[in-house]
Amino acid sequence: DIQMTQSPSVLSASVGDRVTLNCKASQNINKYLNWYQQKLGEAPKLLIYNTNNLQTGIPSRFSGSGSGTDYTLTISSLQPEDVATYFCFQHNSWPTFGAGTKLELK
Amino acid sequence: QVTLKESGPGMLQPSQTLSLTCTFSGTSLSTSNMGLSWLRQPSGKGLEWLASIWNNDNYYNPSLRSRLTISKETSKNQVLLKFTSMEPADTATYYCAWDYPASFAYWGQGTLVTVSS
Repeated sequence: DIQMTQSPSVLSASVGDRVTLNCKASQNINKYLNWYQQKLGEAPKLLIYNTNNLQTGIPSRFSGSGSGTDYTLTISSLQPEDVATYFCFQHNSWPTFGAGTKLELK
Repeated sequence: QVTLKESGPGMLQPSQTLSLTCTFSGTSLSTSNMGLSWLRQPSGKGLEWLASIWNNDNYYNPSLRSRLTISKETSKNQVLLKFTSMEPADTATYYCAWDYPASFAYWGQGTLVTVSS
């Protein structure tokens, strides 16, 4: 199985901050990397697919980048509604998720 | 707009078989390159992919393959999941998700399944 490691596990930031979340795969996943946002008590929501493709309806302050084993999700200007847990996911082989990064407001 | 809704028994006893139904609208599994997946999430924990159905092919999490069966009823816009030999460790919220234009692009609200004697 491909292991996905997310860092940090918890991130505190202020409204307006530029925020970067990291995801590292145990082997090359060829950019088959998605990001999901999960707010408390809700189902996850797809934000970014295949590294850098913004899902329909997702604000442009979200962006993704990376290659090989290292990937990032960037929020250009943090908004209060962005408080959530963010999961990365690889589908280069049998699908696996990272453990998540919990994003809080400072 | 694609919408999905999971339905299940809520609670079952250890060793029983879980039967879940995902009913969807706004799309069709009869269209090529469309798929639907099941996932689960124990309370306060991470996500685990269980199984997917794409066209006429089924895919399973290798670690759970022996316990899972996914099937579809195209005319009813439903996908079913059977999960045998349920244990308390299988207690979780179970989600179905539509796999177009990307894996798990649209999610149902989830259904909580509790395994307890």
